[in-house]
Amino acid sequence: GEDVEQSLFLSVREGDSSVINCTYTDSSSTYLYWYKQEPGAGLQLLTYIFSNMDMKQDQRLTVLLNKKDKHLSLRIADTQTGDSAIYFCAESMDTGFQKLVFGTGTRLLVSP
Amino acid sequence: EAGVTQSPTHLIKTRGQQVTLRCSPISGHTSVYWYQQALGLGLQFLLWYDEGEERNRGNFPPRFSGRQFPNYSSELNVNALELEDSALYLCASSLGGGGPEAFFGQGTRLTVV
Repeated sequence: GEDVEQSLFLSVREGDSSVINCTYTDSSSTYLYWYKQEPGAGLQLLTYIFSNMDMKQDQRLTVLLNKKDKHLSLRIADTQTGDSAIYFCAESMDTGFQKLVFGTGTRLLVSP
Repeated sequence: EAGVTQSPTHLIKTRGQQVTLRCSPISGHTSVYWYQQALGLGLQFLLWYDEGEERNRGNFPPRFSGRQFPNYSSELNVNALELEDSALYLCASSLGGGGPEAFFGQGTRLTVV
């Protein structure tokens, strides 16, 4: 079945690293995504990883994928107050984007 | 380059009415997706259109429907509105065939009273 789980809340201090975790259940997922949603806004695609990769780095963002444990994480280095938002992980069931299954979202609060 | 644009941004409707939401994809994108983000229910996949055809549908009743026009813009129609249809409706677009990078619009906030 399709189920993506995330912890609801994470609080960090400015300058620290943030790690947001996600677990998924469908081993046939082809792509796994991280989206950011700021208050009152739509979703911003941060990064995605193909299921045959185990790591992807993009500037301050590092995505780690453990296929065996069906665990995905997003690390944000040098977290800034502007990073405060809700972060959603999502998996795609078929080739590409045909249907994304989203997690519940993790609210990241960065304090000065 | 313009991103995905949705209109209107906010809408208030009465139960039983019908509503049409609009989405213009990023230039060059032929796939359009609709998602519902209802309070407490998270993001739920509604519909996927590609090259003018409905390709996939989420677990929603038939009163949720839509279409894609030759210019790849899309409409989402909801008939017989119910209170629980109150949500943020998000549209996304990607390259044709369901390319992996999809970009979302700002959404339409629908309130049903």
